[in-house]
Amino acid sequence: QSVLTQPPSVSAAPGQKVTISCSGSSSNIGNNYVSWYQQLPGTAPKLLIYENNKRPSGIPDRFSGSKSGTSATLGISGLQTGDEADYYCGTWDSSLSAVVFGGGTKLTVL
Amino acid sequence: QVQLQESGPGLVKPSETLSLTCAVSGYSISSGYYWGWIRQPPEKGLEWIGSIYHSGTTYYNPSLKSRVTISVDTSKNQFSLKLSSVTAADTAVYYCARRPQTSSSWDYWGQGTLVTVSS
Repeated sequence: QSVLTQPPSVSAAPGQKVTISCSGSSSNIGNNYVSWYQQLPGTAPKLLIYENNKRPSGIPDRFSGSKSGTSATLGISGLQTGDEADYYCGTWDSSLSAVVFGGGTKLTVL
Repeated sequence: QVQLQESGPGLVKPSETLSLTCAVSGYSISSGYYWGWIRQPPEKGLEWIGSIYHSGTTYYNPSLKSRVTISVDTSKNQFSLKLSSVTAADTAVYYCARRPQTSSSWDYWGQGTLVTVSS
């Protein structure tokens, strides 16, 4: 059981936009920055979004992040088949004194 | 370009100690940042194991703290993980990664190494 809650799966057609939610509490998302990672099949996670809504160099602006209260959202627009992957949110939990991750969301581009 | 590379045995017997090393290139560990270990059991999500600062200060996942030791060797530009008394539940892909001091995000990751716990 993950501390952060994500939907197990989402799907959308190529060219469409999809959002992935990440729900937590005041001890984690509510008072700490959220980051998002993309894990393509058989590869290591890759940082997509840090500090809620910032993109590292090289990440296209099709990927966006937002946070409101104790929830965060990853948005992916102009979906491509190459975006099919597992997506994870992560943050620090001040009560647990631990880095915590969501259970992951599998994105299928139909 | 910062690169991280895990190394260590791919098979460990139950009750023994898992030992992995992460070699860092393209950046000096002594210059800063946190360096950590994250694992992923087969078909499951990510679990943070612990982190170490270049000074040697460590932070461990409370659920694993009693079995984990992370150390750093700045002369070799590498850091290591030891996980004692392993069971089948410790079978996972183990990743090493870097975290900026002022951020909770992990910006560089190793490719990961599968460690299987089995007799």
